Amino acid sequence: QQQVKQSPQSLIVQKGGISIINCAYENTAFDYFPWYQQFPGKGPALLIAIRPDVSEKKEGRFTISFNKSAKQFSLHIMDSQPGDSATYFCAASMGETSGSRLTFGEGTQLTVNP
Amino acid sequence: DAGITQSPRHKVTETGTPVTLRCHQTENHRYMYWYRQDPGHGLRLIHYSYGVKDTDKGEVSDGYSVSRSKTEDFLLTLESATSSQTSVYFCATYSGTSREQFFGPGTRLTVL
Repeated sequence: QQQVKQSPQSLIVQKGGISIINCAYENTAFDYFPWYQQFPGKGPALLIAIRPDVSEKKEGRFTISFNKSAKQFSLHIMDSQPGDSATYFCAASMGETSGSRLTFGEGTQLTVNP
Repeated sequence: DAGITQSPRHKVTETGTPVTLRCHQTENHRYMYWYRQDPGHGLRLIHYSYGVKDTDKGEVSDGYSVSRSKTEDFLLTLESATSSQTSVYFCATYSGTSREQFFGPGTRLTVL
């Protein structure tokens, strides 16, 4: 069963616009929520991550918003650029007691038009 | 870049044949993982290792086995490949400090 649900499946935005990708999780034992970025032909790479004790984390143009009560978190990409075109995955982890395994969402293919 | 290499990078094989994929890391990370990536499913964990000779199953382990005889190498074996195992396979490592998993470049496997 999919414990992390991600939407939308695909997203097209114009250069300079805001890209928003949403994820919802079920297991309240998750304590680490990363976002990975993947370019074609490459492995995923960590973009930004958050722990459930904070509601927002910002790194440059990328922001994670976290709503613990709703069990939802989202990625906002401000001033989207064509170079941001990639597939984005949200994920969740329970820490080393469970092998630090990541449970991934289904992925969102983002296209930023020039 | 955590110094992860995967071999082969591409492989085409026939149904019923055994296949072994290799992951090699140079960072001395304790944890290693095998994921498969399929459209609409994201990445799904097949098996993982938390030390030499210590392995455990992930969510899609049926038809796969793993071995880890050295810290730097983690092997994934498809005992008898099926068309449903056509996928892109990623190896990842985790150091236990920053909680970041580092991914290799992937192996594209096609089972005819």
